[in-house]
Amino acid sequence: DTGVSQDPRHKITKRGQNVTFRCDPISEHNRLYWYRQTLGQGPEFLTYFQNEAQLEKSRLLSDRFSAERPKGSFSTLEIQRTEQGDSAMYLCAITLGAGEINYGYTFGSGTRLTVV
Amino acid sequence: AQSVTQPDIHITVSEGASLELRCNYSYGATPYLFWYVQSPGQGLQLLLKYFSGDTLVQGIKGFEAEFKRSQSSFNLRKPSVHWSDAAEYFCAVGTMNRDDKIIFGKGTRLHILP
Repeated sequence: DTGVSQDPRHKITKRGQNVTFRCDPISEHNRLYWYRQTLGQGPEFLTYFQNEAQLEKSRLLSDRFSAERPKGSFSTLEIQRTEQGDSAMYLCAITLGAGEINYGYTFGSGTRLTVV
Repeated sequence: AQSVTQPDIHITVSEGASLELRCNYSYGATPYLFWYVQSPGQGLQLLLKYFSGDTLVQGIKGFEAEFKRSQSSFNLRKPSVHWSDAAEYFCAVGTMNRDDKIIFGKGTRLHILP
């Protein structure tokens, strides 16, 4: 158990469909991050939240992508009109804790999206 | 903005041999540096991190890394690898603003020969 639950683990969808992923930290963390990882690449930053406020969005996050964190706990990432290029692992991460010694992330297991 | 380069896409070593994975970073101030490991079908696990103090840091699974400011490097080492170490390894850099996002390298895939 990493402390971050992501659902679903796998999603296969047809091109043009909408998909939504969920990230649930098991305890309250004020910062939550979304990353995307394609095959053979490292995780790429998409967006992050401090509580319910979305503070930064990468240019990778086109207008087909939207993320929310309505109550500052769980978060959702929606992709509208999916394209084959959206096929990737979508990772959610939270900070390890307060203070310098705890700086860093713990990641969920990710949601693997395949667009066919 | 910070960035990370991992020069080696693939590394192959024999079981029991020593290992060094290279990482170079770019950042104008003192960085926060991390190594993560991702085994096949698994999530990312933090191996170790450096944020200040002793430049040689110890991590889990017998790994260590050394921060060399003059070379902008944070290489990962292990004296004797085990077959279970076969995985993808990611170096990552954060900034002194701990609210800032962490940037990851493209990774090095480690193969172990029996």
